[in-house]
Amino acid sequence: AQKITQTQPGMFVQEKEAVTLDCTYDTSDQSYGLFWYKQPSSGEMIFLIYQGSYDEQNATEGRYSLNFQKARKSANLVISASQLGDSAMYFCAMREGMGNTGKLIFGQGTTLQVKP
Amino acid sequence: DTGVSQDPRHKITKRGQNVTFRCDPISEHNRLYWYRQTLGQGPEFLTYFQNEAQLEKSRLLSDRFSAERPKGSFSTLEIQRTEQGDSAMYLCASSRPPGLAGNTQYFGPGTRLTVL
Repeated sequence: AQKITQTQPGMFVQEKEAVTLDCTYDTSDQSYGLFWYKQPSSGEMIFLIYQGSYDEQNATEGRYSLNFQKARKSANLVISASQLGDSAMYFCAMREGMGNTGKLIFGQGTTLQVKP
Repeated sequence: DTGVSQDPRHKITKRGQNVTFRCDPISEHNRLYWYRQTLGQGPEFLTYFQNEAQLEKSRLLSDRFSAERPKGSFSTLEIQRTEQGDSAMYLCASSRPPGLAGNTQYFGPGTRLTVL
């Protein structure tokens, strides 16, 4: 069964520094997608970045990059130059297949606090 | 794009009452998803629609839960005879048809349900 594991319940980072949030996944499918979402205290899930299993290059979106290591089944999120507004809960999610069922499986999340 | 909207944002009800939530997806998205999120956990998939067809339901969706998307646009999620265990955030998401840009799901702000 597919599973997402986020082993860091909480992380602290100093403002303007980089931080890595860990995510490992388990699937028997060859085709899948990996997502990161940010959830501030307001509750809305905000899409950050996507990586397809067949993508050869790591995905990047502004200050966000995804360190994709397929053999290790890891998809860590790197946030560069942290800002106070980055303080939130971060979820890693996986979708098996390329749009068949569409459902996402989420990890438990990591709470990130950015210190001034 | 106008984002995904949900109504109401908060609902407090007494045990045994029925409640209904509404979700309006992004206009060109033909897929619509419902998730449930309890405190400190990642969202869990409930059900999804492609146009007006409900294509998958989770085991979490007991017979007290029913979801509809009658015209392939907005969707409603009804919970009958609410129980205290139904207290959670109910998230709606929408995405484009399969095969496009990873079918990224964009989430609404959620409806927070409290059952007294």
